[in-house]
Amino acid sequence: AQTVTQSQPEMSVQEAETVTLSCTYDTSENNYYLFWYKQPPSRQMILVIRQEAYKQQNATENRFSVNFQKAAKSFSLKISDSQLGDTAMYFCAFMIWGWNAGGTSYGKLTFGQGTILTVHP
Amino acid sequence: DVKVTQSSRYLVKRTGEKVFLECVQDMDHENMFWYRQDPGLGLRLIYFSYDVKMKEKGDIPEGYSVSREKKERFSLILESASTNQTSMYLCASSSRDRVYEQYFGPGTRLTVT
Repeated sequence: AQTVTQSQPEMSVQEAETVTLSCTYDTSENNYYLFWYKQPPSRQMILVIRQEAYKQQNATENRFSVNFQKAAKSFSLKISDSQLGDTAMYFCAFMIWGWNAGGTSYGKLTFGQGTILTVHP
Repeated sequence: DVKVTQSSRYLVKRTGEKVFLECVQDMDHENMFWYRQDPGLGLRLIYFSYDVKMKEKGDIPEGYSVSREKKERFSLILESASTNQTSMYLCASSSRDRVYEQYFGPGTRLTVT
């Protein structure tokens, strides 16, 4: 079974500064995806960034970047130039994909506990 | 624009009632999922479906059932609601060709009294 651990229940940062959210995971699989999702106070969950385990290069999306350490099973999210709109709950998640009896694929997500990030003006 | 909608944002039910939570997606996705979200526990998978009338148990299926009669609609059923099912419920969908892209609905906050 896969587990995902976020050890920081809450974090805060000043606007324009940089913050790093931590995530570790445990799996015996070799091929998987890792994600960071953002859930603002309005509750719609949106994808921030995705990393394929077979890629050594760390994923980046504008101000968001990850530090993926496969051997250490660590996947942290760095937010640069923090903005007030970054205030949200952030979830780290892990996906393996499977095949059903009909031969089609699906992916199952396992989430961490979440980190509440507050950006202060 | 991709859209996953859920029938209610807030719902209050009494213990023992049968509860239906509805989810609709307009992206012709094959896969649909139901999660519950609780503080300190993150999101946990209840059930998922990879095709019409097909379903598989997730990590916490006890006390729940699901129905998928049409491709776009996936229902979560609480046969006899209990107070420990008070939670936020989120629906999601993905296509079989891009399983790594799950799109989430806005969530339903269910309170069982």
